Amino acid sequence: DGGITQSPKYLFRKEGQNVTLSCEQNLNHDAMYWYRQDPGQGLRLIYYSQIVNDFQKGDIAEGYSVSREKKESFPLTVTSAQKNPTAFYLCASSPGWGDRNQPQHFGDGTRLSIL
Amino acid sequence: AQSVTQPDIHITVSEGASLELRCNYSYGATPYLFWYVQSPGQGLQLLLKYFSGDTLVQGIKGFEAEFKRSQSSFNLRKPSVHWSDAAEYFCAVGARGTGNQFYFGTGTSLTVIP
Repeated sequence: DGGITQSPKYLFRKEGQNVTLSCEQNLNHDAMYWYRQDPGQGLRLIYYSQIVNDFQKGDIAEGYSVSREKKESFPLTVTSAQKNPTAFYLCASSPGWGDRNQPQHFGDGTRLSIL
Repeated sequence: AQSVTQPDIHITVSEGASLELRCNYSYGATPYLFWYVQSPGQGLQLLLKYFSGDTLVQGIKGFEAEFKRSQSSFNLRKPSVHWSDAAEYFCAVGARGTGNQFYFGTGTSLTVIP
C-alpha cells in the first residue's frame, strides 16, 4: 500500500545535538511538507518542497533544515539552534498543484523530546 | 491573508447525539476546504473535501460538511456520534495561487460520553 513513513516514532535529543527525522513516501507525490504540532496551536508549517532539489521556508523555519535530493524523501533536521524542539512532527505529501487542489496525506508523526 | 478559525477548542457530546463542528475561513476567492481527523499519537486522516459544485459534501465515517459562501463557513456534521469518533478535528483551506500551502485551524477536541 502506498503511504508516508515517518521514523523514528519517538526521538530524544540532548542539549547541543542535531537530530534528523526521516520521511519517505511511495505515492509518487511531487510536494512534501513538514509541520510542527503543539497542544492548542494546531499545525504550523516548517518547510515545504514542491519539487526535487527545491524547498521553501514555512512559518517557523528557524532552527530547522531540510533537503530534497530524491522525490520520495524529505528529511528534517532539528538543529541545536532550535531551543524548544519538544513537539510532535508531521510529514505530509500531495500530488502537486494542478487544476484541482489535492488533499495532503500525512504520516503517523515523530514525537521529539529533550533529554 | 488566508486563515482558518475553529471557534470551539473542546466539545463534549453524548453518544448517539448529533454533532456540529464549526469552521470559518478567510479568503478572497473560492477556497478548497478540507476536514481531517487525528487520533492521539497519530497522523491526520482526510474526512472530506470541497472543491466546487454541490455545497453539501459527504465524507467517510458518516460525516458531512456544508460550504456556505455567505458565511465563509464549512461546518462538519454527523447525525449520530459514536464513541470511536472521539478525536481531534482540523479544518484546512488550500488557496489558489499560494503554491501548495494549506492553512490549518487550531483544532477542536471531541469527547464522547456514554
